[in-house]
Amino acid sequence: ETGVTQTPRHLVMGMTNKKSLKCEQHLGHNAMYWYKQSAKKPLELMFVYNFKEQTENNSVPSRFSPECPNSSHLFLHLHTLQPEDSALYLCASSQVGVMNTEAFFGQGTRLTVV
Amino acid sequence: AQTVTQSQPEMSVQEAETVTLSCTYDTSESDYYLFWYKQPPSRQMILVIRQEAYKQQNATENRFSVNFQKAAKSFSLKISDSQLGDAAMYFCAYTVIQGAQKLVFGQGTRLTINP
Repeated sequence: ETGVTQTPRHLVMGMTNKKSLKCEQHLGHNAMYWYKQSAKKPLELMFVYNFKEQTENNSVPSRFSPECPNSSHLFLHLHTLQPEDSALYLCASSQVGVMNTEAFFGQGTRLTVV
Repeated sequence: AQTVTQSQPEMSVQEAETVTLSCTYDTSESDYYLFWYKQPPSRQMILVIRQEAYKQQNATENRFSVNFQKAAKSFSLKISDSQLGDAAMYFCAYTVIQGAQKLVFGQGTRLTINP
């Protein structure tokens, strides 16, 4: 198993669809993150979960709804998206504590909204 | 707010040569981490090198080294003996030391290796 696994790798959805992105980490970390990578913009932090509690919401529209049922799994629920939401969505995890680790990333989900 | 700037959208280098990628950042914090991440076509962000701001010594990892100038808020990456597998997008990133790794990224530099 790779450290951080994201599914699906590719997703095409209509603006009225509801879909979910899944992230799983096998590193024993206690923090998980969602980032958005658009074609013309730097990677943007969307959400942070620390010990399953959401500690950061970077002014993300409510059509993106994160869920962290345990420290190993993170979801991003999508509904009523817009074409400008098309991007690469990257999940990451890290250990937060006395000895912080760097963030480890998954391979991302390429989302296309049509 | 913290910002990270990479002023070179694209760079190219001959195989076996040395190349330097530039990064500047802005922060009012005194303790922080700086990173260089590599993103190959597989899309996974891979950590190349990390620098703690409180360390004066520049970090090195095999063929990769940094030139960290804290006063100038500059953090460049030098790749020696460039290899074809080094071709990728390179991102400079910043985060504070305490707490979660809330990374602030630069715009990226696309590095091409010419055989």
